[in-house]
This record gives sequence, structure tokens and C-alpha cells, in this order.
Amino acid sequence: GESVGLHLPTLSVQEGDNSIINCAYSNSASDYFIWYKQESGKGPQFIIDIRSNMDKRQGQRVTVLLNKTVKHLSLQIAATQPGDSAVYFCAENNGAAGNKLTFGGGTRVLVKP
Amino acid sequence: DTAVSQTPKYLVTQMGNDKSIKCEQNLGHDTMYWYKQDSKKFLKIMFSYNNKELIINETVPNRFSPKSPDKAHLNLHINSLELGDSAVYFCASSQMYGNYGYTFGSGTRLTVV
Repeated sequence: GESVGLHLPTLSVQEGDNSIINCAYSNSASDYFIWYKQESGKGPQFIIDIRSNMDKRQGQRVTVLLNKTVKHLSLQIAATQPGDSAVYFCAENNGAAGNKLTFGGGTRVLVKP
Repeated sequence: DTAVSQTPKYLVTQMGNDKSIKCEQNLGHDTMYWYKQDSKKFLKIMFSYNNKELIINETVPNRFSPKSPDKAHLNLHINSLELGDSAVYFCASSQMYGNYGYTFGSGTRLTVV
């Protein structure tokens, strides 16, 4: 079955350092991937997306890398700030199931001052 | 001017009661969703509607009944509430085609006692 595997670890990062969050997915038919950020008491917020015809996409302080060979996705946050403290989710969309997003389990990022 | 708004934000109720959660989006999207987030932060889709038509209906007890009076609204009615229904419920919206991410509401924390 399709799944996006991401255990819920906690990543502690010193303010100013770079963060890397990893995600494995199992559905090779997925062609669109998204990273979401969820702060306490709020809904998930879109950060960045990538389509399967790309292997890298950059945003403001964030970079998403896609390795389709090993079905792996990562989110890199440069110069992590206290406001980056949140739970981060990867999600995949195979386009065939009514634009259904399947979410991974999330990673909590704690930024230490 | 909230894009996806849910009410209420908190809902505490006794087992066996019937309750509803409302959702409205002003983004002009044609598809709306309900997701359930458990205590471990795992997000799982429940339903999606496209232009008032049910598109996705995951394995959800039939005590849960979504209703979409128009494409800007998707409400969730829950009958005979059980302790295991306690969770945070998120509404989201998107366009159906083109591989777009979702815009989420801020969630409704349901506590069944």
C-alpha cells in the first residue's frame, strides 16, 4: 500500500545552524511532494513543493531534494531561527486519487537559542 | 479574511452526543477535505468533496457524515460520539487538478469525555 514513512523524532538544532529533515515514501507513482510546517495550535502551512521531474527546488532559506531512485525526500532549512520550531510533515500526491495528499508522521524541530 | 475557517476551535462533549464542525473557504477552490490528526500528530484523510460531490471516502465509521451545501462549505457531522473520536480535525481546500497543495484551516480540537 502507499505510505509516506516519517517517524516522529525530535531534531534539536542550535539557532543559526542548518537543519535537515528526511522523509521516505513508498509509492513510486507519486509525482508531487510537499513539505508542511505545523506550529502549535495551528493548521499545517505550506512551505515548499517539488514535482517528480525535478530533483531540487529552492525557496527562501529552504531547499527540498528529491531522490526518486531511493524514494527519499529531504527539507533543508538554512540558518535555523527560533520561529522555525514546529512539526514538519512531508506529503505525497499520486494525482490519481482525487488530489489526495498522504502525510508522513512528522518531525519536531526544536531550535535552541 | 481567513482563507479556510473552521468552527468551533474547541469542542468538549460527552459520549453519545451528536456534534457538527463547520468549514468555509474563500479561496475559490473546487475541492475540500477533512483530515483527522491523532495524539501522535499523524494526519489521515477522511473525506474530500469536489464541487459538492463526494470524491474520497476513506475507511471512516458511518457515524461521520460530511455535507457540502456548496463548493465553499464542507461540514462534518458526527453521531454517537465515542472516546476514540477525540482528536484535532482539520479542514482543507485546494484545486482538484494541477497538483496543488492544500490550504488548511486552524483545526477543531474535539474532546469526548
